[in-house]
Amino acid sequence: DTAVSQTPKYLVTQMGNDKSIKCEQNLGHDTMYWYKQDSKKFLKIMFSYNNKELIINETVPNRFSPKSPDKAHLNLHINSLELGDSAVYFCASSQASGYTFGSGTRLTVV
Amino acid sequence: QQQVKQSPQSLIVQKGGIPIINCAYENTAFDYFPWYQQFPGKGPALLIAIRPDVSEKKEGRFTISFNKSAKQFSLHIMDSQPGDSATYFCAASKGGGGNKLTFGTGTQLKVEL
Repeated sequence: DTAVSQTPKYLVTQMGNDKSIKCEQNLGHDTMYWYKQDSKKFLKIMFSYNNKELIINETVPNRFSPKSPDKAHLNLHINSLELGDSAVYFCASSQASGYTFGSGTRLTVV
Repeated sequence: QQQVKQSPQSLIVQKGGIPIINCAYENTAFDYFPWYQQFPGKGPALLIAIRPDVSEKKEGRFTISFNKSAKQFSLHIMDSQPGDSATYFCAASKGGGGNKLTFGTGTQLKVEL
């Protein structure tokens, strides 16, 4: 069984569109994250939720809105997509022993 | 501001060699230092982690060396294999493995036959 699953795996869309990425974890972790990996592979935290509450928002444009309906799910909605949003977005969950990442969503804005 | 600096950016070694990847951190409040391994098309996966109360930790062919006074830590891969070819990230956090991770910039390792 997949521990952290993200959908879709690939997303190609036009500038100005709105899109969502979904994430679910079955590990029972309390904390979930969104990370962005750019073309140079740099991993940067975007958001963190602990038991459905936002605890980290790393100065991400407000076009990005995370939503956590319960502690097993953390979705990411992006409005008015821009070319610079093209990247791989990783969802992760964590407990004291470390993070478990999903396989990523490759977003391409054309 | 890059709080965790990683080098080299890329590394090529022969099978059986010992690649070494280095990281340096600035924030003395960091107390948990993991290494993650990422294969193409996959998410990063936890490889090994160390806390600053020990200077070395070994798990299989992977060893972390930690120098608290220099604020540096490194990953050594013994008897490297082509299957070790991946991108490796060091990271650091305050308060343990469940907290916000600050990642290094990554090292692309290729192990040749």
